[in-house]
Amino acid sequence: GDSVTQMEGPVTLSEEAFLTINCTYTATGYPSLFWYVQYPGEGLQLLLKATKADDKGSNKGFEATYRKETTSFHLEKGSVQVSDSAVYFCALSGILTGGGNKLTFGTGTQLKVEL
Amino acid sequence: KAGVTQTPRYLIKTRGQQVTLSCSPISGHRSVSWYQQTPGQGLQFLFEYFSETQRNKGNFPGRFSGRQFSNSRSEMNVSTLELGDSALYLCASSTGAARYNEQFFGPGTRLTVL
Repeated sequence: GDSVTQMEGPVTLSEEAFLTINCTYTATGYPSLFWYVQYPGEGLQLLLKATKADDKGSNKGFEATYRKETTSFHLEKGSVQVSDSAVYFCALSGILTGGGNKLTFGTGTQLKVEL
Repeated sequence: KAGVTQTPRYLIKTRGQQVTLSCSPISGHRSVSWYQQTPGQGLQFLFEYFSETQRNKGNFPGRFSGRQFSNSRSEMNVSTLELGDSALYLCASSTGAARYNEQFFGPGTRLTVL
């Protein structure tokens, strides 16, 4: 079945550092890929998405490129801020018999940004 | 446009009881999905509804059920609660049921089973 593997956290960075959170996936065909962010006590917020190979999703300085050849969707940001501290989830929506939209999530990576 | 709303936000129940959680999707969204989030199992898919029909179901026991109404609002029910059902239950809505449709999440209902 579909699965998502993302790097273990927590990740601790200084403000203005470069961020990479690795994400790889296993799925049949061409899934859609997503990054979600969860702040303490809240639900998930969609950060960015990509729906086909070589697509680059971007939002609020975050970027991720859909790499079919390496089955990866790594999240990057050039300069993190304290306000980026949160848990980040990589997810995919794959092909389902009969159609539909079901997200399969990675385990989440906690990011802490310090001054 | 208002986001996904879930009620109640917090719930405390005892083992053996049943519970009903409610979700109101974003206006115009016809697909509603439910997820369970726990520290041990992470985020797991429960079920998806589109136009009042259950499209997909996750690997959960029959104690977990749901439904969707004609106005796209959805409810999920858990009967005979167990301690392990303590979790954050998240509802998400999307415009359609295609895999490229992004899902927008509500704040969740925190269920504690004592």
